[in-house]
Amino acid sequence: DTAVSQTPKYLVTQMGNDKSIKCEQNLGHDTMYWYKQDSKKFLKIMFSYNNKELIINETVPNRFSPKSPDKAHLNLHINSLELGDSAVYFCASSPTGTGRETEAFFGQGTRLTVV
Amino acid sequence: AQSVTQPDIHITVSEGASLELRCNYSYGATPYLFWYVQSPGQGLQLLLKYFSGDTLVQGIKGFEAEFKRSQSSFNLRKPSVHWSDAAEYFCAVGAMEYGNKLVFGAGTILRVKS
Repeated sequence: DTAVSQTPKYLVTQMGNDKSIKCEQNLGHDTMYWYKQDSKKFLKIMFSYNNKELIINETVPNRFSPKSPDKAHLNLHINSLELGDSAVYFCASSPTGTGRETEAFFGQGTRLTVV
Repeated sequence: AQSVTQPDIHITVSEGASLELRCNYSYGATPYLFWYVQSPGQGLQLLLKYFSGDTLVQGIKGFEAEFKRSQSSFNLRKPSVHWSDAAEYFCAVGAMEYGNKLVFGAGTILRVKS
């Protein structure tokens, strides 16, 4: 009954490969996000989607492409992986129309290591 | 620009001692404020949140935080720390005017000595 679940939890891949991370939430939220936590533990938003529509794109390289097939899923596809993409990627979701739209519920993270 | 400052990178306290983690923010809109905790290799767990009303908010695990608008602060406190509280703590600020994204501080690592 995990609220926000991501797969895989760990991902090790070579430079130049393409990989995807999947995220699903069962909270009935309309808004979903991807955050990146770098090696210094700094967390920064990458994207947000509201009901399958892209709302925020925070100057992320074009190699990163989020896709939201429905409002419960937000996947992250990364092309031509680079060493600098190594990080922990967190998916999150938040409710809308409640006055608490900024309250984000996070998944467990996906640790991506590019070698 | 929105920013969150956690001035202390590391804090070490003795088990049973009180704790205060500092958080200051700079935000152009009405902020909503959060504290998250991250244990090693784990995700982010919400400790507490402030939206409006009483400026002293209670959270899980015995934590509380006080919103002081005049000081742009939202400090986290706990009267008696347990060894299991050792983790990294993140303060975050969000606002509907900025698309509901959260802006995080750099985190404070809490070490608990027995």
